[in-house]
Amino acid sequence: ETGVTQSPTHLIKTRGQQVTLRCSSQSGHNTVSWYQQALGQGPQFIFQYYREEENGRGNFPPRFSGLQFPNYSSELNVNALELDDSALYLCASSIQGASTEAFFGQGTRLTVV
Amino acid sequence: AQSVSQHNHHVILSEAASLELGCNYSYGGTVNLFWYVQYPGQHLQLLLKYFSGDPLVKGIKGFEAEFIKSKFSFNLRKPSVQWSDTAEYFCAVNAPFGGADGLTFGKGTHLIIQP
Repeated sequence: ETGVTQSPTHLIKTRGQQVTLRCSSQSGHNTVSWYQQALGQGPQFIFQYYREEENGRGNFPPRFSGLQFPNYSSELNVNALELDDSALYLCASSIQGASTEAFFGQGTRLTVV
Repeated sequence: AQSVSQHNHHVILSEAASLELGCNYSYGGTVNLFWYVQYPGQHLQLLLKYFSGDPLVKGIKGFEAEFIKSKFSFNLRKPSVQWSDTAEYFCAVNAPFGGADGLTFGKGTHLIIQP
């Protein structure tokens, strides 16, 4: 167990809907990153939050947005869901400015129908 | 932009066989290198990491990896695999000191160990 918890574990949504996924980071970690892992692929970096602001972003459209709260927990919001958004969404926490590893949660499996 | 290439997408071995999984990266600067493992139904776990120093790094569960800078490679090895090593293995890189570009992962290698 890593101490990074994500909710919910599974979710089914309809195309066009909006979804919010949640993540609690490991104690002492101040940075949260989100990744999308499509079936049979490696995780792809969506964005990173530090001090409640997005400070890095991968190649994802603006309908993917996020928040980080003062307790370092985080949300990932996806608007106007598309079928291709079906994937495992992973949250990882780490310490900004330090060369340490990221610790991952178990993920939220999102299915868009 | 960073990229990571894992050469073997599916590997099937018998117990006690030796393992080597290839990983090459493309990045114009100093990198941190990682191998993560994802056992069925579990979260991604760190096997080992390289930040600097000795290019031969040892990780958990008897795994090791060698960083060869001239070849941009970070291959994972284990002398004798066990059935419990069946999992998905990911090589990843990022910029030192927690760069804001996150981790760049390879597509993964699905390893199956036959008893």
